[in-house]
Amino acid sequence: EVQLVETGGGLVQPGKSLKLTCATSGFTFSTAWMHWVRQSPEKRLEWIARIKDKSNNYATDYVESVKGRFTISRDDSKSSVYLQMNSLKEEDTATYYCTTGSEYWGQGVMVTVSS
Amino acid sequence: DVVMTQTPVSLSVSLGGQTSISCRSSQSLVHSDGNTYLYWYLQKPGQSPQLLIYKVSNRFSGVPDRFSGSGSGTDFTLKISRVEPEDLGVYYCYQGTHYPTWTFGGGTKLELK
Repeated sequence: EVQLVETGGGLVQPGKSLKLTCATSGFTFSTAWMHWVRQSPEKRLEWIARIKDKSNNYATDYVESVKGRFTISRDDSKSSVYLQMNSLKEEDTATYYCTTGSEYWGQGVMVTVSS
Repeated sequence: DVVMTQTPVSLSVSLGGQTSISCRSSQSLVHSDGNTYLYWYLQKPGQSPQLLIYKVSNRFSGVPDRFSGSGSGTDFTLKISRVEPEDLGVYYCYQGTHYPTWTFGGGTKLELK
């Protein structure tokens, strides 16, 4: 059974940092391209980051609104993908999902940025 | 970025009835490899999105044949026939053609009449 479990969310003040973790199982993680997608309180879905596999040099891409602030990374030995979020803004408040890009999604983790 | 426009924003349907949702993209979704990476998802209350249809018209594993996808280029449709209570929620289209920024439609809420 495929599982993706996100952790690390919570309430954080503007300007602070948070790191999300997505632990996976049930599929060949090492060859999967992994993504983070977020859903705003208004329920709008936004793709925010993707990391390719080792054969593609772990190349990364980001949506413009998070470039320079967020960093996606992975640890194939732990079948996990991460999202380091720095300089957080109130508009980053959302539920964050990790996903294989189409088929499989985690249950999501809430991040609230507020003073 | 490619803009995905879904209509209508909400739908009311009777159990056992049929309905459809439209998704239009601001650019053609035909990839240089010949595929069209248009997906449909259903998000039930309190759950994460679940894949229904991939590459326009292919049902994902376990998705009943009451769901069908069609379309090409910039215009796509999801049809739901014999609507059941488990079909209620918000439907999203999603394009994975225009790399690297993939984009979602705004969603269509399906409710019971």
